[in-house]
Amino acid sequence: GIQVEQSPPDLILQEGANSTLRCNFSDSVNNLQWFHQNPWGQLINLFYIPSGTKQNGRLSATTVATERYSLLYISSSQTTDSGVYFCAVSTSGSRLTFGEGTQLTVNP
Amino acid sequence: EPEVTQTPSHQVTQMGQEVILRCVPISNHLYFYWYRQILGQKVEFLVSFYNNEISEKSEIFDDQFSVERPDGSNFTLKIRSTKLEDSAMYFCASSPQRRTNYGYTFGSGTRLTVV
Repeated sequence: GIQVEQSPPDLILQEGANSTLRCNFSDSVNNLQWFHQNPWGQLINLFYIPSGTKQNGRLSATTVATERYSLLYISSSQTTDSGVYFCAVSTSGSRLTFGEGTQLTVNP
Repeated sequence: EPEVTQTPSHQVTQMGQEVILRCVPISNHLYFYWYRQILGQKVEFLVSFYNNEISEKSEIFDDQFSVERPDGSNFTLKIRSTKLEDSAMYFCASSPQRRTNYGYTFGSGTRLTVV
């Protein structure tokens, strides 16, 4: 099956800093989503982005499908951004395969 | 914005008991899914469901598990004879079509604790 690798596994920032999270995948995909898992365990859908670039406030994402990677940018980080960020992909409309996640901690 | 609703948010059960986790997918969605996340691990696919039957299942989804859409709105996951290792967060998800242009919408999860 498809492999999904996320980096870095852990990231600690000071409030106000910017960061880039990376997701590499091993095959062509027709779906790629970024999720934020908050401290209560809820999965919040950030972006559906199988290709191209999208922005939503302080967050933006870029997927380069031909090179099989996606990047999630967080600018001016806030303590509420803390949590685990997951990348998930699927091929041919099949099951979503999740990466291991990036644990982000934003300190005040 | 339409939501996927899961109940209960937290369930504690004794080992060996049966549990039913409930989900109400988004009303015009056609594909339904269950995923599982053991504490500290990544989210894993369990099963997908379309047109009142299982369309795909993972190796985790053995005879202990079953899914049902009993009344056209609810989508349930039944776990028979629960084991300690079934303790996890269970997520329901739905999508309007298989090749979705919108991605999958996930519910808030049910945290199952088996004691």
